[in-house]
Amino acid sequence: SAVISQKPSRDICQRGTSLTIQCQVDSQVTMMFWYRQQPGQSLTLIATANQGSEATYESGFVIDKFPISRPNLTFSTLTVSNMSPEDSSIYLCSVEVVGQGAETQYFGPGTRLLVL
Amino acid sequence: QKEVEQDPGPLSVPEGAIVSLNCTYSNSAFQYFMWYRQYSRKGPELLMYTYSSGNKEDGRFTAQVDKSSKYISLFIRDSQPSDSATYLCAMKRGGATNKLIFGTGTLLAVQP
Repeated sequence: SAVISQKPSRDICQRGTSLTIQCQVDSQVTMMFWYRQQPGQSLTLIATANQGSEATYESGFVIDKFPISRPNLTFSTLTVSNMSPEDSSIYLCSVEVVGQGAETQYFGPGTRLLVL
Repeated sequence: QKEVEQDPGPLSVPEGAIVSLNCTYSNSAFQYFMWYRQYSRKGPELLMYTYSSGNKEDGRFTAQVDKSSKYISLFIRDSQPSDSATYLCAMKRGGATNKLIFGTGTLLAVQP
C-alpha cells in the first residue's frame, strides 16, 4: 500500500487566480495520477504523471489549464490555472502500486476547491 | 454505452443486512477489478482487489468477478452503520495501459 498526503485540504479562491495542489507519497512510485471529482459524480482522470517525462493528459484537459510537475518519485503538483466557478471540485492524486501480480491505485484524501 | 455501469442508488438497508453491490462492464480486456469505499468529504479507500475471475473474501466483504458475464459484485455481510458510504467499482487492463475506469458509485446507507 501507500500513504498519500495532499495540501491544501481545501481552499476558496477567486476566479482568475491559480492554485497549486501538492501530493506527497511515503514511498517511491513510478506512476502518479491526478483526478477530478465533481459534486455527486465519479472520478475523472485529468492526467498521468511519470517522473522524468511530460505528463499525459486525457481528452478535455490541457497543460495550459492544468500544468503538472513531477520532480521526483515521491512528489507531484497540479496547478489549476485561471480558475472559474466550473473548476470547483475535489482534486485527488493517486499512485499505482505494482507487485506480486497486483496492479492497483491508492488515493490521497483530496483537495476540496471552491471558486467564487 | 459507458464502459462501466453502476447503479447510483441510493441503497438503504437495515443494520445486519447483507448488501449486494454490482457493476457491469463492456470491455473484455479488463483484468484487474477493484472496489473503493468513499466516505463523505474523503478520498476513495481501496477496499477489495481481484485479478481476473473468481472470489475474494476479506472479513465481512466478498468480491466476485464473473468475466464471462462481464459482471462484478461486492457483498457486505452483517452490514453496520459505519459501512454507510459511496462504493465505487473500478477496473483496468493490465500492463502498460494503466488507466482506471470507474463506475459512477453507489450510495449506501445502513440504518441502525
